[in-house]
Amino acid sequence: AQTVTQSQPEMSVQEAETVTLSCTYDTSENNYYLFWYKQPPSRQMILVIRQEAYKQQNATENRFSVNFQKAAKSFSLKISDSQLGDTAMYFCAFMNTNSGYALNFGKGTSLLVTP
Amino acid sequence: SAVISQKPSRDICQRGTSLTIQCQVDSQVTMMFWYRQQPGQSLTLIATANQGSEATYESGFVIDKFPISRPNLTFSTLTVSNMSPEDSSIYLCSVERGGLMETQYFGPGTRLLVL
Repeated sequence: AQTVTQSQPEMSVQEAETVTLSCTYDTSENNYYLFWYKQPPSRQMILVIRQEAYKQQNATENRFSVNFQKAAKSFSLKISDSQLGDTAMYFCAFMNTNSGYALNFGKGTSLLVTP
Repeated sequence: SAVISQKPSRDICQRGTSLTIQCQVDSQVTMMFWYRQQPGQSLTLIATANQGSEATYESGFVIDKFPISRPNLTFSTLTVSNMSPEDSSIYLCSVERGGLMETQYFGPGTRLLVL
């Protein structure tokens, strides 16, 4: 079974600063996908970024980028120029398509962006 | 991304009753998924709903407790049967989109409180 670990239950960052959220995972598979989802307070899950394991290049979406270290099974999310609207719960998720399309989620990191 | 709606958005129910949650997508999708998010917790997949076949349930979830329908490619329902306070959770549907089977987009969720 695959497990996803987010070791930072809570983090805070000042507006305009950069913050990095950690995620590690455990799998014996070689082909898989990794995701970061954002869940603002009382609102729905929003896909932030995705990474294919077979791609060496790290994914980037505007202010969001990842540091994917396949050998270390690490998948951290970097948020640059943090904004108040980035305050949310961030979930790292893993998918092994060889066993269906179920997303395995970490426990989440609560990020607070302060003025 | 997909436009996904869920009904009801929230409900308060008495123990022993059942609630059916609806998930509607703005275009046809092959796979729909139902997740549960217990208070303060991460998301756990309940089942995968495929049109024209029985839903596939994850370990720990059974059809008698969580019957699922998938009458067409844009709609699915999840019923939470014989509810107890332990069923108090947010229930979310998600869909794959745009041929990217490995990328899921989530509905706004249904917040259920069982008294």
